[in-house]
Amino acid sequence: GAVVSQHPSRVICKSGTSVKIECRSLDFQATTMFWYRQFPKQSLMLMATSNEGSKATYEQGVEKDKFLINHASLTLSTLTVTSAHPEDSSFYICSSKRRGRFGTDTQYFGPGTRLTVL
Amino acid sequence: GQNIDQPTEMTATEGAIVQINCTYQTSGFNGLFWYQQHAGEAPTFLSYNVLDGLEEKGRFSSFLSRSKGYSYLLLKELQMKDSASYLCAVRDERAAGNKLTFGGGTRVLVKP
Repeated sequence: GAVVSQHPSRVICKSGTSVKIECRSLDFQATTMFWYRQFPKQSLMLMATSNEGSKATYEQGVEKDKFLINHASLTLSTLTVTSAHPEDSSFYICSSKRRGRFGTDTQYFGPGTRLTVL
Repeated sequence: GQNIDQPTEMTATEGAIVQINCTYQTSGFNGLFWYQQHAGEAPTFLSYNVLDGLEEKGRFSSFLSRSKGYSYLLLKELQMKDSASYLCAVRDERAAGNKLTFGGGTRVLVKP
């Protein structure tokens, strides 16, 4: 299967600092990547769609100035949580969309980043 | 918008069969996915259905009925390692990037 990596896997930071999370598709090029957030015992909530070479598309209610997304290449997207607060503590997961045969697309997920803001 | 419903929890015995149902409402259906997610880990892809019928992959099978807006994931010969959350996700062709919308997930507990 396709491999997607995320770095770091865990991060603890102080309130008010910024945290950058990297998502890489290791064995395929991804024009589209997605960023999700998952709170304990809840499902994945899509935050934004990251498009290589263009601006990200944010879901309703997600502050684009707080969650900065950069998709600089076909294998790398970054999510920066700016001025993090304790309520931003969550499990952040990226996925890369891979085109399969017959035009089908499948999302492959990274291992996730657990962010704790003190 | 989309509504995706699946049961919150299910319990089954090792070696048995469990069926996880998922119902959805969407305006531009373009495929349904099932993912498995162990606690603290990211989801892993299990199956994809876009046409009606049953797709079988070893111990796991997934069924789709587009007219009924219904899918199920069937887990056979349950093993303890199958204890996880199972996420149903629907793709909307009208959404930017063909994004997926996830259901709330079904936590399956396999008991000895």
